[in-house]
Amino acid sequence: DVKVTQSSRYLVKRTGEKVFLECVQDMDHENMFWYRQDPGLGLRLIYFSYDVKMKEKGDIPEGYSVSREKKERFSLILESASTNQTSMYLCATLFSGSYNEQFFGPGTRLTVL
Amino acid sequence: GENVEQHPSTLSVQEGDSAVIKCTYSDSASNYFPWYKQELGKRPQLIIDIRSNVGEKKDQRIAVTLNKTAKHFSLHITETQPEDSAVYFCAASSGYALNFGKGTSLLVTP
Repeated sequence: DVKVTQSSRYLVKRTGEKVFLECVQDMDHENMFWYRQDPGLGLRLIYFSYDVKMKEKGDIPEGYSVSREKKERFSLILESASTNQTSMYLCATLFSGSYNEQFFGPGTRLTVL
Repeated sequence: GENVEQHPSTLSVQEGDSAVIKCTYSDSASNYFPWYKQELGKRPQLIIDIRSNVGEKKDQRIAVTLNKTAKHFSLHITETQPEDSAVYFCAASSGYALNFGKGTSLLVTP
């Protein structure tokens, strides 16, 4: 069974703080993704990584950065959190090579005050 | 980039009835079309997917159809049960990244 974990289920931060969201997977998947989920907007891709130290912007990268120093870990960084970044953040992983299921983590609900 | 439209945004059916959710996509290069189910408070999980060389796929009570010419695909759930109540997302992809629709909230009433 694929296991994708995220560092926190709930997080409350203040405007201007630097925020780190971590995602860890145990299945040696090459690809990892960060999405944000907002009511009525579905899942929107922020960034993804197809290998260690490699990253690609998704549809809404503004205000975010990412880090992938090890294959199993993909971090999402909010350099200076703002209230419009209050959202549910979901990490996902994917095995390369064929059409495959993306496995999602449990999500982190971030509130920026 | 790819744009995926999903309808309806909410759907309420009686137990035992069928439910149909429709999606359209814009990028003709898209060749993989998964459907995810997200129960309240839980993570999205794949329930069925279809690739561009197939027109229809079934798995028990759920089926997906794909019309590549018209660039639309649909999810069909027959004999709905209360446990089918959830948010359903369609997606389209031509590579590794998925482009999701905005979701359909399905409510199955007993």
